[in-house]
Amino acid sequence: NAGVTQTPKFRILKIGQSMTLQCAQDMNHNYMYWYRQDPGMGLKLIYYSVGAGITDKGEVPNGYNVSRSTTEDFPLRLELAAPSQTSVYFCASSPRLASSYNEQFFGPGTRLTVL
Amino acid sequence: DQQVKQNSPSLSVQEGRISILNCDYTNSMFDYFLWYKKYPAEGPTFLISISSIKDKNEDGRFTVFLNKSAKHLSLHIVPSQPGDSAVYFCAASGVNNAGNMLTFGGGTRLMVKP
Repeated sequence: NAGVTQTPKFRILKIGQSMTLQCAQDMNHNYMYWYRQDPGMGLKLIYYSVGAGITDKGEVPNGYNVSRSTTEDFPLRLELAAPSQTSVYFCASSPRLASSYNEQFFGPGTRLTVL
Repeated sequence: DQQVKQNSPSLSVQEGRISILNCDYTNSMFDYFLWYKKYPAEGPTFLISISSIKDKNEDGRFTVFLNKSAKHLSLHIVPSQPGDSAVYFCAASGVNNAGNMLTFGGGTRLMVKP
């Protein structure tokens, strides 16, 4: 199992450009998440999905969009990049569990700089 | 408002000694707490968890203590090793949580000196 994979590892964007951050998991997990981590800060949830075709906003969704057409893939779209979106982006997944215990499995991250 | 806080941004410990990382929370509806470890240029990895119905959970060198009345948890690492040097995140999960979402603290950077 590759686990959770993310591409690209690094990217520099100009203000106003758009891009898609790719995320895929091969563990057949229902739940998938996108986080951003700013320097010295914890992880903040951008969007999440509880299954194919179902997505919902997290704590900081503005400026982003997601889709979940398959169980495996959960791409994150930035339409008009702004310097405030400079951050490290992590994708994660977790299985559907009966309890609320939720071990999430993280990808290696994408470091994005918007200039 | 930060529901999960790690008030110490960094901690330095000598190899072989105990490392104690602290975490405070405000939401009494959290029912699971987790610790994640993160090395540079990697994603966080799960370390240990504790249910709110327990006050202690141990896994090898790692022990998590939960004080519900104080809304406080701590991670003890004994003995500390240089390979433990990383950023540690505390996270919490609530029972009425349709997305099984986690709320993370800001992290504590642990440096274990040889």
